[in-house]
Amino acid sequence: SSVLTQPPSVSVAPGQTATITCGGIDIDLKSVQWYQQRPGQAPVLVVFEDSARPSGIPERISGSKSGNTATLTINRVAAGDEADYYCQIWDSADFVVFGGGTRLTVL
Amino acid sequence: VQLVESGGGLVKPGGSLRLSCATSGFTFSDYHMSWIRQSPGKGLEWLSYISGSSKADYADSVRGRFTISRDNAKNSLYLQMNSLRVEDTAVYYCAKDYYFASGSFPTDWGQGTLVTVST
Repeated sequence: SSVLTQPPSVSVAPGQTATITCGGIDIDLKSVQWYQQRPGQAPVLVVFEDSARPSGIPERISGSKSGNTATLTINRVAAGDEADYYCQIWDSADFVVFGGGTRLTVL
Repeated sequence: VQLVESGGGLVKPGGSLRLSCATSGFTFSDYHMSWIRQSPGKGLEWLSYISGSSKADYADSVRGRFTISRDNAKNSLYLQMNSLRVEDTAVYYCAKDYYFASGSFPTDWGQGTLVTVST
């Protein structure tokens, strides 16, 4: 059974860079997705297969992975980036597994 | 791609509810579909998926109580929920999945429908 660990919260000033991590055993062997969920809205896929962006997602949002940690990076953070962010993997035993989520606060 | 859930509401513990998800904008029968829920103030919890040919599986938390199904002719996804518990209170999302060799993940989500289980 896979567990994905995210920090509960990250705070960053406007214009700065936010980094949100997602740790898990064997994550280096799995495809990692990231979802953005703004308050009162449904989640939106922002990164898939570790680092690919769906159409319409700005280049300042990027994903990467090293060892057992995946990272979502948001450059030039703006008020509209304030949201909850969830990482996700597929696990053969548990199927779709989500991290606990990270609340990004723009100061 | 449009996904529109319906069927949520207030139900007593032990009761049943059937959620529907009407879809458009893609060839429904070609895609895996999932149900995912979010309890108030909590994170995302995957519940179930179904393939285009109706192969399905479930999270342990709902296996034996919930049943996922689809009608490819109607481009619709369903979730039959029986023996509901207070802890099933959540917003329920349907999602269109991308299926690849190593698994699948949701790519598009509906706006959700609220299910409240309470006396």
